[in-house]
Amino acid sequence: DQQVKQNSPSLSVQEGRISILNCDYTNSMFDYFLWYKKYPAEGPTFLISISSIKDKNEDGRFTVFLNKSAKHLSLHIVPSQPGDSAVYFCAASAPAGNMLTFGGGTRLMVKP
Amino acid sequence: GAGVSQSPSNKVTEKGKDVELRCDPISGHTALYWYRQSLGQGLEFLIYFQGNSAPDKSGLPSDRFSAERTGGSVSTLTIQRTQQEDSAVYLCASSSLGQGMEKLFFGSGTQLSVL
Repeated sequence: DQQVKQNSPSLSVQEGRISILNCDYTNSMFDYFLWYKKYPAEGPTFLISISSIKDKNEDGRFTVFLNKSAKHLSLHIVPSQPGDSAVYFCAASAPAGNMLTFGGGTRLMVKP
Repeated sequence: GAGVSQSPSNKVTEKGKDVELRCDPISGHTALYWYRQSLGQGLEFLIYFQGNSAPDKSGLPSDRFSAERTGGSVSTLTIQRTQQEDSAVYLCASSSLGQGMEKLFFGSGTQLSVL
């Protein structure tokens, strides 16, 4: 049973517009959430994170929103750039946990 | 080294052969993780090391899979009697302390193809 789900396997957006990537989780023990970005033939790299005590965290063009009651988080990229084209993974961890549980990933394509 | 290093980057093997995948984590990182990504799938946790010990092996899919870490540094993931379903990208990651809220630093992975 997948505890972290990314229901959209792919997303296509025009350059300059907003990209919204979604993630749902089922384990109510998760209290820390991260987004990773992965280019082909490279390992995932950390993008942004959020603790469950917050509902928003912003870093430049990237903002993560957390809705604990809905067990849902989203990553907003504004404005989207062609270099943002990659696979984005949502991940979560539980208190005292020592590993991350990842979603299946969403492939974002930003068209010039 | 500057980052997590994995070797080989690509491995093609025949069904039934054994393979060894190597991971060299960031110097000083005590925690080391193995994940794999099958085609079209997400990242699947395999095993976690804290130092040379593996307190969490819950993700290893079968007893054909084993891993060890020596000197608190390099780790080797061994797959015995490989099967076609073992074909995947095997990713290694390390972090300073091994706490869930820490960032993981990933290597580029080993693409394993079992024919």
